[in-house]
Order: sequence, then C-alpha cells, then structure tokens
Amino acid sequence: GAGVSQSPSNKVTEKGKDVELRCDPISGHTALYWYRQSLGQGLEFLIYFQGNSAPDKSGLPSDRFSAERTGGSVSTLTIQRTQQEDSAVYLCASSYRRGESYEQYFGPGTRLTVT
Amino acid sequence: ILNVEQSPQSLHVQEGDSTNFTCSFPSSNFYALHWYRWETAKSPEALFVMTLNGDEKKKGRISATLNTKEGYSYLYIKGSQPEDSATYLCAFPRAGSARQLTFGSGTQLTVLP
Repeated sequence: GAGVSQSPSNKVTEKGKDVELRCDPISGHTALYWYRQSLGQGLEFLIYFQGNSAPDKSGLPSDRFSAERTGGSVSTLTIQRTQQEDSAVYLCASSYRRGESYEQYFGPGTRLTVT
Repeated sequence: ILNVEQSPQSLHVQEGDSTNFTCSFPSSNFYALHWYRWETAKSPEALFVMTLNGDEKKKGRISATLNTKEGYSYLYIKGSQPEDSATYLCAFPRAGSARQLTFGSGTQLTVLP
C-alpha cells in the first residue's frame, strides 16, 4: 500500500521567509511524528500527534515552529522567519498500535536549505 | 547512560565480511528498543522492534540481540553485501511515552565490493 509521503522533497528559501512542509501519513495510522536531522547531527524529535489528543510539542526548538494535523490525517509543519540553522532534512513518520511495540514508518523527507 | 549511544560511528568492511555494531541505552524504565536502516536518498526503514530481555530477532542476514539489564543491543550482519551500505540507527522510547523515539547518532556502514 501507499507509504508516508512528504512534500516538497526539496525547498530552498531565503532567510526570514516562512515555509510549510507537508506530510501524508499511512491511512489508518493514528500517530504522526516530525523529526529533523541537521548536518552532522542525529534524528531530533520535534512534535507528536496521537489521534485527537493535544500534540506533544516538547521537541520544537523555538516558537517559530508550529504544526497542525487536520482531520487526524495530513500534517503541516510551519517554520516562520526561517534562519540558516533551520536547514535540515525534515522527516515525518506515522505508526499504529501493534501489540506493545510502535514501529514507525518514515517518509522520504524534505530537505530544507535556508540561504 | 542517559541517552542512546552507538558505536562505532562508521565502519568499512569488505564484501563477504560479517560485522556487528553496538547500541547502548538506559537500562532503567525499559520499554522497547528499535533498529532502523537509513540508506542514502531513501526513508529510514524499520528493521526490528525488541521488547524482551534476551530477545533475538533475525531478518535475512541481519540479526539483533537485546540485553535490557545491562542496557545494550547488538546488530549483526552476516556476509555483508554492498547493498547493506547504510546508516543503522537504534532508538528507544522517551520516558513517559511509548512512541516518541530518542535516536542514537547511528553507525554508518560501507561495504566495499
């Protein structure tokens, strides 16, 4: 079946501009996550949505970052007034309950470059 | 150990060699340990999710073991092939949650033909 999709695959933006990154999770998956990988760094958790519950935003690096998930499906990550340190690969993942384990299925990522 | 640590950071092996790498994690409040493979220009792909001490899982030439009491997991690749070249990540769920994963920095494996 269809996997997690993300768009755009690449985004180059000027410092100070706003950007929106989109994630379409696997149908039926109730949990959705955003991660990012900056150059030379590991995968960093950003935000987590589970069903209709309030999202866990504890990983967002600043108030310039926000995310929403509409209708329990598609999610948008918005970065306002982008800075060069925001350059990274942004990954989205989704999962569903499988026993006591929560295998995550990742999308291909959006490579964001802030110039 | 407060976070996930992986070693070595990178590894080069010849085709046909067997290899292994280590993931160390906090042994308290253990819930699960995940292994992912991330090939260049592709999405990270789940290899194993391990939950029980002494667990051993296998997928083709790749296997993993788990020791929750001492806080480590080993990933083994038997007879490495060039297509095994990737970054191998381990991750564990953050305290208080079963879903948000804390990832190690990965082991970058290059298999030389």
